[in-house]
Amino acid sequence: AQTVTQSQPEMSVQEAETVTLSCTYDTSESDYYLFWYKQPPSRQMILVIRQEAYKQQNATENRFSVNFQKAAKSFSLKISDSQLGDAAMYFCASMEYGNKLVFGAGTILRVKS
Amino acid sequence: EPEVTQTPSHQVTQMGQEVILRCVPISNHLYFYWYRQILGQKVEFLVSFYNNEISEKSEIFDDQFSVERPDGSNFTLKIRSTKLEDSAMYFCASRAGTGGYNEQFFGPGTRLTVL
Repeated sequence: AQTVTQSQPEMSVQEAETVTLSCTYDTSESDYYLFWYKQPPSRQMILVIRQEAYKQQNATENRFSVNFQKAAKSFSLKISDSQLGDAAMYFCASMEYGNKLVFGAGTILRVKS
Repeated sequence: EPEVTQTPSHQVTQMGQEVILRCVPISNHLYFYWYRQILGQKVEFLVSFYNNEISEKSEIFDDQFSVERPDGSNFTLKIRSTKLEDSAMYFCASRAGTGGYNEQFFGPGTRLTVL
């Protein structure tokens, strides 16, 4: 069974600084996808970034990048130049090909001005 | 840009009542999902639906829950005889389905409050 673990319930970062959110996962499949979702107070689920397991290159989306360590089953999210609008709950999730998303417990990110 | 819509945005009901949560997936999508998030907790998978039948369901999705695609555009989640612990945010998601990776697009959610 897929499992996703986020060990940081809460993180803080100063505006314009960099923060890294941690995530580890477990799956028996060789073909899977990993995601980071942002959930602001509105509770809308917003896809931040995704990573295909077969790709060795780490995904990047503007200020967001991941560090994907397949052997260690680790998938961390780095947010550079943090902005006040980045404050939210962040969920790490995995998906075995074509199936359901399995989410971690989430990390609350606070951005200090 | 196409989006998943959900109605109502907030539903308040009495314990024991039946509720129907409605979703309109993106029009050419083939796979549909319901997820649940109890306040302050993680998002949990309830059920996936493809080709007019359930393809997978979680242990949460017991006999009090049912899903239906009644008319080719709506995708509904029915909860019979609601319990206090059913109070949660319910998210619908859909994905296109064919040809490799397809992102799941989430609706804005329906907040269900059971009194």
